[in-house]
Amino acid sequence: GDSVTQMEGPVTLSEEAFLTINCTYTATGYPSLFWYVQYPGEGLQLLLKATKADDKGSNKGFEATYRKETTSFHLEKGSVQVSDSAVYFCALNFNQAGTALIFGKGTTLSVSS
Amino acid sequence: NAGVTQTPKFQVLKTGQSMTLQCAQDMNHEYMSWYRQDPGMGLRLIHYSVGAGITDQGEVPNGYNVSRSTTEDFPLRLLSAAPSQTSVYFCASSSPTSGQETQYFGPGTRLLVL
Repeated sequence: GDSVTQMEGPVTLSEEAFLTINCTYTATGYPSLFWYVQYPGEGLQLLLKATKADDKGSNKGFEATYRKETTSFHLEKGSVQVSDSAVYFCALNFNQAGTALIFGKGTTLSVSS
Repeated sequence: NAGVTQTPKFQVLKTGQSMTLQCAQDMNHEYMSWYRQDPGMGLRLIHYSVGAGITDQGEVPNGYNVSRSTTEDFPLRLLSAAPSQTSVYFCASSSPTSGQETQYFGPGTRLLVL
């Protein structure tokens, strides 16, 4: 079945460092791809998404490009802040209708000042 | 709009007890789903619904029942709780409108089964 693989954490960075969190997927079709973020003690919220190959999703300085040839959707940010400390989840559609999601295991990011 | 609400926030059960986790949304979303979050496992889909009266199984449905009698509500039932069901449960909703694939999540219910 379809699946998502994320780099294992935790990722520990200093403020203003460059961030990359790798995400690759396995899917039979061409699913939409998502990055969700979970701040401590909270639910998940959408960070960015891409619905077709070569699309770039972006939000709050984060970016990710849908790469069909490498089945990847890596998350990047040029300069992280302490407030970016959270758990980041890569996800894709559970089915073609997009009724639910399949998630990766999550990557914990810790940013220190 | 309140968005997606879940009750209770925290619950302790004994093995074999039953309970219902409540989920409601006020965004008139057709799609609703339940996930469990366990350390090192990410979120795994339990059940989902595409509309009132229609439900289907996700990745880990065993031990859970759902029903969808209204658009707003999507309760998750544990008929006989087991320690393996200790987890944090999240409910989510979304709309099939083209380009609107964003899932909106509730704040979660933390369940401990002793």
